[in-house]
Amino acid sequence: KNEVEQSPQNLTAQEGEFITINCSYSVGISALHWLQQHPGGGIVSLFMLSSGKKKHGRLIATINIQEKHSSLHITASHPRDSAVYICAVGELIFGTGTRLQVFP
Amino acid sequence: GAVVSQHPSRVICKSGTSVKIECRSLDFQATTMFWYRQFPKQSLMLMATSNEGSKATYEQGVEKDKFLINHASLTLSTLTVTSAHPEDSSFYICSARNPLPGQGGNTIYFGEGSWLTVV
Repeated sequence: KNEVEQSPQNLTAQEGEFITINCSYSVGISALHWLQQHPGGGIVSLFMLSSGKKKHGRLIATINIQEKHSSLHITASHPRDSAVYICAVGELIFGTGTRLQVFP
Repeated sequence: GAVVSQHPSRVICKSGTSVKIECRSLDFQATTMFWYRQFPKQSLMLMATSNEGSKATYEQGVEKDKFLINHASLTLSTLTVTSAHPEDSSFYICSARNPLPGQGGNTIYFGEGSWLTVV
């Protein structure tokens, strides 16, 4: 069993839809990161969470430390949101990613 | 703009040669940087932790003599792939942690990555 698991692995959506990506982990953590990787490979750090909820624009990230679960939400999705979203525990353990495609 | 810069973004080298990839923190001093590799459609895998002024810590299965890491200053870490082979072709990416408190503090920033192709 992977220490960090994401679901779904692949996700397609129509523009404007609300999107949720989930991440469950089995190790103790000090922080969890949500990353975005575009087809060219570059990675952008979206959020770093240790508790509660953070919001940046159309993106919302939540974490429940007791349940060892985090979610990334995208409101009013747009084709430019198409990317791979990766959950990472600290700097060491990465989920396999969720490939999101948003169609116009 | 990017706060961690990686160079080169793409490199092609001949088998048997060595290639150096640089990772620079632009707006902060990073005592610790991390190097990862990523194969197509797979997740990132940590290769090593680069510590300024001391030897890097390598993950199990990563050959330290093949992947030389130097962290000579607080803003620069380098990864040298020595005697490169085609199976070393991969996407290499670095990250750096801003250790300072406050806005942006204790946040990890990733470089843009480097595509290495060994022919």
